[in-house]
Amino acid sequence: DVKVTQSSRYLVKRTGEKVFLECVQDMDHENMFWYRQDPGLGLRLIYFSYDVKMKEKGDIPEGYSVSREKKERFSLILESASTNQTSMYLCASSFVEGAQPQHFGDGTRLSIL
Amino acid sequence: QKEVEQDPGPLSVPEGAIVSLNCTYSNSAFQYFMWYRQYSRKGPELLMYTYSSGNKEDGRFTAQVDKSSKYISLFIRDSQPSDSATYLCAIDTGRRALTFGSGTRLQVQP
Repeated sequence: DVKVTQSSRYLVKRTGEKVFLECVQDMDHENMFWYRQDPGLGLRLIYFSYDVKMKEKGDIPEGYSVSREKKERFSLILESASTNQTSMYLCASSFVEGAQPQHFGDGTRLSIL
Repeated sequence: QKEVEQDPGPLSVPEGAIVSLNCTYSNSAFQYFMWYRQYSRKGPELLMYTYSSGNKEDGRFTAQVDKSSKYISLFIRDSQPSDSATYLCAIDTGRRALTFGSGTRLQVQP
């Protein structure tokens, strides 16, 4: 079974802090994704990566950056956390060929105070 | 127009009912369609994956694609309280990431 592991289930940070969310997958997937999920808005894509050191902006990249130094690990960085970044953050991974389903971690519920 | 639209619900049904969950999409060229189930405080898990049009069945679940109407459906037969979750449709719209509907929250009452 594919396993996507997010380092924290719950996280509380203060405005202005730099926040790191970590994600690791064990299936040698090329693609990795970061989404945020908010009530009524569904899943919105923040960034994705299709190879080590490669990244592409998703639909809502403002205020975020990402890092992919190793194939299995994809990090989301909130450069200066703000209260409107309080959300559920979901990481996913997939193979690159064709239309592949994505496999998700269990999410990090982030609160910015 | 959004690429994928989904009624957010909530939808409440009695145990044993047939449930119909639906999404509409904007582009008839889309070919790969998925349904995910998300339990509370968990990540989405893949439930069904279909290509092009027609039906696909897996136990109590049937996924249906109507390309002429740009409409996809998930049917759950003999619904159980354990089916209570949020159901998300997802479509491969041609970029590497899937495009998700906003999710329909389903409650099956015992």
